[in-house]
Formats: sequence, structure tokens, C-alpha cells
Amino acid sequence: DQQVKQNSPSLSVQEGRISILNCDYTNSMFDYFLWYKKYPAEGPTFLISISSIKDKNEDGRFTVFLNKSAKHLSLHIVPSQPGDSAVYFCAASGRSSNDYKLSFGAGTTVTVRA
Amino acid sequence: EAGVAQSPRYKIIEKRQSVAFWCNPISGHATLYWYQQILGQGPKLLIQFQNNGVVDDSQLPKDRFSAERLKGVDSTLKIQPAKLEDSAVYLCASRRPGTGTYEQYFGPGTRLTVT
Repeated sequence: DQQVKQNSPSLSVQEGRISILNCDYTNSMFDYFLWYKKYPAEGPTFLISISSIKDKNEDGRFTVFLNKSAKHLSLHIVPSQPGDSAVYFCAASGRSSNDYKLSFGAGTTVTVRA
Repeated sequence: EAGVAQSPRYKIIEKRQSVAFWCNPISGHATLYWYQQILGQGPKLLIQFQNNGVVDDSQLPKDRFSAERLKGVDSTLKIQPAKLEDSAVYLCASRRPGTGTYEQYFGPGTRLTVT
């Protein structure tokens, strides 16, 4: 069953504007969340993460927001750049899972228009 | 620091044939994962190793898939016999345990096409 859902398969945004990617999860045991970025013919690369003890984490142009009550997180990219065009995966894990396994969403393809 | 290496990068086989993928994790990363990523879906964990022991293989179709990590470093994933639905990208990832972080480092993947 799909415990992590990214309901928007694609997103198109103008260069310089904000990109907002959404992710929902169903497993209440999840308490750590990550975003990965993937270019064609490459493996996913880690972008940013957030623990459930926080509701916001920022790294440069990338900010992740977590709403635990809604089981929802979002990734904001400001400003969007052409190099941000990629597939973005949301992933989640539970601290009770000592093996640090990740459950991934299906991904959102972001296209930044010049 | 060298990244996760995988080979081959691409493989085309006919159904019922066998195929093997190889992975070399980042040096010092005792935890190794194999994922299957079908087009339009996220990576799905097939098997997780800690050193040369299996931690979780609950999602591995054991009737046709096998994996090993004999010396706790390199790993191979084998499919025998392959089915059309095995067409996917097979990703290998590694993690350094004991760091308290969840981040996994991925290789470039092997794209398998079964015809």
C-alpha cells in the first residue's frame, strides 16, 4: 500500500517564481522526512530533510514545511532555476524502524521555464 | 569520496533469461539497499543488507530474485527467469550506520528492459 503520496505528477513553473511540491503520508509512525532530487539517467540525490520535532527546515533556496496533524509536508523552492528541472521524491521513515528504511512517493516532475 | 557504483548501466534481455546487477557501495557504508523503480513510481525496497547479513527481504520476489553480499562490501542482484514486468531501473543505495541520519546515497541505477 502507498504510505507516501505525491498527488501531483508534474509541475511547471516560470524561472524566478516559487515551486511548491506537496506530499502526504498515512503512517502515523513516520517521524523523519526527506526530499530527493533525480535527474534523468542518474540516481536520486538527497536534497533536504526534516524531523517531526520541527515544522520547518531551510537550506538556501529550499524549505520544507511539516504539518504533522495533517500528515502533510511541502517543499518550497524559491526562486526556481532551470537547473531545478528534475523529478522530486518525498520519502519517510519511522524512528521505531531501527533499520532506517525509507518509503518513497511516486515523484513530481518539475519543469522550470526560462 | 567515490559514490555508489553500479553496472551495467543498461541491459536488454528476453523474458525467461537471467540477468545480474552489481553494486559497490561507498567505502565504510555497512548498510546496502536494492530498490526497484518502475516507470512513474517511486523506488521500492527489495532487500536491505547490514554488512553481509540480510536485514529485510520481505519485498523480494524470492521465486525469481536473489541477492548476496558475501564479503560485506560488493553486492549482486540476480533475476532468473526474468518477466516482462521486471522492466525497471534497479537502484543500489548505501548508508553509514551509527550516524543517526536517514540519508541514503544512491548509485546511477541499471535500466533493465525485458522483451
